[in-house]
Amino acid sequence: KNQVEQSPQSLIILEGKNCTLQCNYTVSPFSNLRWYKQDTGRGPVSLTIMTFSENTKSNGRYTATLDADTKQSSLHITASQLSDSASYICVVSVSGGANNLFFGTGTRLTVIP
Amino acid sequence: DVKVTQSSRYLVKRTGEKVFLECVQDMDHENMFWYRQDPGLGLRLIYFSYDVKMKEKGDIPEGYSVSREKKERFSLILESASTNQTSMYLCASSLSGRVGYYGYTFGSGTRLTVV
Repeated sequence: KNQVEQSPQSLIILEGKNCTLQCNYTVSPFSNLRWYKQDTGRGPVSLTIMTFSENTKSNGRYTATLDADTKQSSLHITASQLSDSASYICVVSVSGGANNLFFGTGTRLTVIP
Repeated sequence: DVKVTQSSRYLVKRTGEKVFLECVQDMDHENMFWYRQDPGLGLRLIYFSYDVKMKEKGDIPEGYSVSREKKERFSLILESASTNQTSMYLCASSLSGRVGYYGYTFGSGTRLTVV
């Protein structure tokens, strides 16, 4: 069964601190992996996309890593801000078809002053 | 700025009512999707459409139907709303081609409560 699992389910950190969110997947054949940020009451917005050959990609204070061999990805947030409080969703695409996306259940991050 | 617009942010409906959720995108995307999002379950695909008048069932189509009469509009219909359909509903669209590569653009969601 194709699955995407994220950890932790929730996380509380102090403003200014760093944190790392994890995503493990078993889907196959892998096409790409994307991290989304979802603010409360809003739709998800894409942060990064990584294909098989990429192992690091940055978007400002967000850095995603991918280890295709172990089927693991992480999202590292540097110098957290209050506006980083959101749910972060890992989405893995498999090859073929019009819809082959597998969603993790997300990590709920809360940044406190 | 490209957009996926969902007609309502919040809806409260009674059990047994027929409910229409509307979604419009202005990006000329071929693919459109309806998901529901529930705590601990993540996003689950209800229906999707890869062309006008075309539709495909997703993972949880029971109790729902869809309509795509125009490329830019994708409607989700709850034929007879039930309390277990209380959820956040998200519409998304994407270009055709490499799956997932172009990413999905999501609407802001409709929080539906069925009482």
